[in-house]
Amino acid sequence: EVQLVQSGAEVKKPGESLKISCKGSGYSFTSYWIGWVRQMPGKGLEWMGIIYPGDSDTRYSPSFQGQVTISADKSISTAYLQWSSLKASDTAMYYCARGVSYGWFHFDYWGQGTLVTVSS
Amino acid sequence: QSALTQPASVSGSPGQSITISCTGTSSDVGGYNYVSWYQQHPGKAPKLMIYDVSNRPSGVSNRFSGSKSGNTASLTISGLQAEDEADYYCSSYTSSSTYVVFGGGTKLTVL
Repeated sequence: EVQLVQSGAEVKKPGESLKISCKGSGYSFTSYWIGWVRQMPGKGLEWMGIIYPGDSDTRYSPSFQGQVTISADKSISTAYLQWSSLKASDTAMYYCARGVSYGWFHFDYWGQGTLVTVSS
Repeated sequence: QSALTQPASVSGSPGQSITISCTGTSSDVGGYNYVSWYQQHPGKAPKLMIYDVSNRPSGVSNRFSGSKSGNTASLTISGLQAEDEADYYCSSYTSSSTYVVFGGGTKLTVL
């Protein structure tokens, strides 16, 4: 069974750093793209970026380029999303999701989400 | 403002059919057959319902169907059921530097 299990909710202060994780199981982790999607409170889905764990090829939406870093450790089948300096506007639910077998245009399996709250 | 335009809400009675539209441009919806639709129930992760405009993943009811005409994609749900009440998002590959864009979402209410 394909599963993506994300790390737990986080409460941080502005300016702090954070790294959240997404562990894949039940499939070949290095053979599928993993993407990250943001959902701000009461709002819609936003595509942030994707990574191919097999070779770490990474692509970012311009809205998130330079604001976050996407990485992966294929030895432990885990993808990461990190911030070096959080802002209050980073408060959101963050989902990781697996790209379909032939590419990254669609996401067929999703993690349960990680709620990030940034508040002073 | 989302790159793809969806109606904010649609509604229908049990057993009826509804259609949700998703309008983009020739750089996204109109130019490629990489449109997908996701269902999201409150407090839950999105679920892929349609990919490549009209394909259903294994396990998704055949009451859900997708189509495209020009720059507008559509999701049709037939034989509405109470469990279909959720938010629905379209997405598309785009030739712009954003790679993939989502619609703003449509809240489906089953009356």
